[in-house]
This record gives sequence, C-alpha cells and structure tokens, in this order.
Amino acid sequence: NAGVTQTPKFQVLKTGQSMTLQCAQDMNHNSMYWYRQDPGMGLRLIYYSASEGTTDKGEVPNGYNVSRLNKREFSLRLESAAPSQTSVYFCASTGRMGQGYGYTFGSGTRLTVV
Amino acid sequence: QKEVEQDPGPLSVPEGAIVSLNCTYSNSAFQYFMWYRQYSRKGPELLMYTYSSGNKEDGRFTAQVDKSSKYISLFIRDSQPSDSATYLCAMSPYSSASKIIFGSGTRLSIRP
Repeated sequence: NAGVTQTPKFQVLKTGQSMTLQCAQDMNHNSMYWYRQDPGMGLRLIYYSASEGTTDKGEVPNGYNVSRLNKREFSLRLESAAPSQTSVYFCASTGRMGQGYGYTFGSGTRLTVV
Repeated sequence: QKEVEQDPGPLSVPEGAIVSLNCTYSNSAFQYFMWYRQYSRKGPELLMYTYSSGNKEDGRFTAQVDKSSKYISLFIRDSQPSDSATYLCAMSPYSSASKIIFGSGTRLSIRP
C-alpha cells in the first residue's frame, strides 16, 4: 500500500546512545517532515525538508539531525539520546510545500530513553 | 499561553449523539484550519480542511471557523463507535506546512 513507512516501530535506548529513525514514502512527494508527539503537547515539528537536498529546523530541533537521502527517504538521528527525547516520533510527507492539508503520516516510532 | 488550546477530554458520548469538539487560538494571523483524526497507535489522518471563516460539511462531519472569536469546531452527527479516536485541530497563518501548529488533541469515546 502506498504511504509513509517508518522503522523501527519501537525502540528503547540508554542515555547517551545514538540511533537513526528511518522514513520512506512512495507517493513521489517533495516535502517531508519529522514531528514528535508528547502527552498534552500536541505534535511539534522537529525538522523538515521542503525538497530533495534541503532541510530546515522546526520548532524543537535541539538534539536531532536529519538527512534527506533522496526524494523517498528522510532520516532522523539522535546523536546522544536523553530521557527528554522519550516520545512518539512521526514522519509525514506532502506533495507540495504549502499544502498542509495534504499531509500523510507514518504510524510512528515509540522511543523510550532510560 | 499556548497558541492553540484544546480540551484533552476524555469525552464519552452514546452512539448516535452529536459530538462537538473545539479549539481556541490566540494568533489572529491563522487562516488555514484543519482537523485530524488519530486512532490509537496510528499516525494522524486529515479529516477536514477549511480556509478562513465559515462552515464546511463532509458527510457526518462539519467544520466551523469563527475568526472573530478565534474559535473552531468540529461537529460529528450520528456518532459511531468507529469515531472513537483522538481529534487534533491544527492551524497555520499561511499555506506553508512548516508553520502548522497542532492542538494537543481531544480523546473521544463513543459508547455502543
């Protein structure tokens, strides 16, 4: 089925460990996004990529890095995980920058940092 | 103060009831308003999208925007158990997706 695929679905890290969250879309979308969702906080934008080859910071970028590997793939890296990064992470894509109503979200990665 | 406020619920209503979900906001520049539905352990999916003020209807769902009061609503008629989910409002000052602000979500449960 067409959509946004995130891996892994679950992960437990120790403080200080690093990991990369993977995201791939097969809808030929130009723009991709990484959000985190925390209880009572809604969805907050970490980084986004308006098109292949570009990335920009969102609302909460500290502690994260991203790579737009190609048009399909957008990865999120935690270099030194902290308990404050315990969250559910969602990747999303849209056909054109500026069409927020066209977001397609992945199913999420549930990350716990102990 | 958050830019977008949404009552977290939970809200529990019997099947067939009319449900009203609401958000208030403080930024008068918001022009694009959205409602997303999120089932447990799934990503959000777009339910309704409106631009500026007014009403929009799609089947059992009606979205209302009152910019003068900075208040948006989602109405669900003839609610079904399958409507049980978390509903997030979202809004943006312009069509740039990088500027979308999400509410924290209202958890809704429809009792059979």
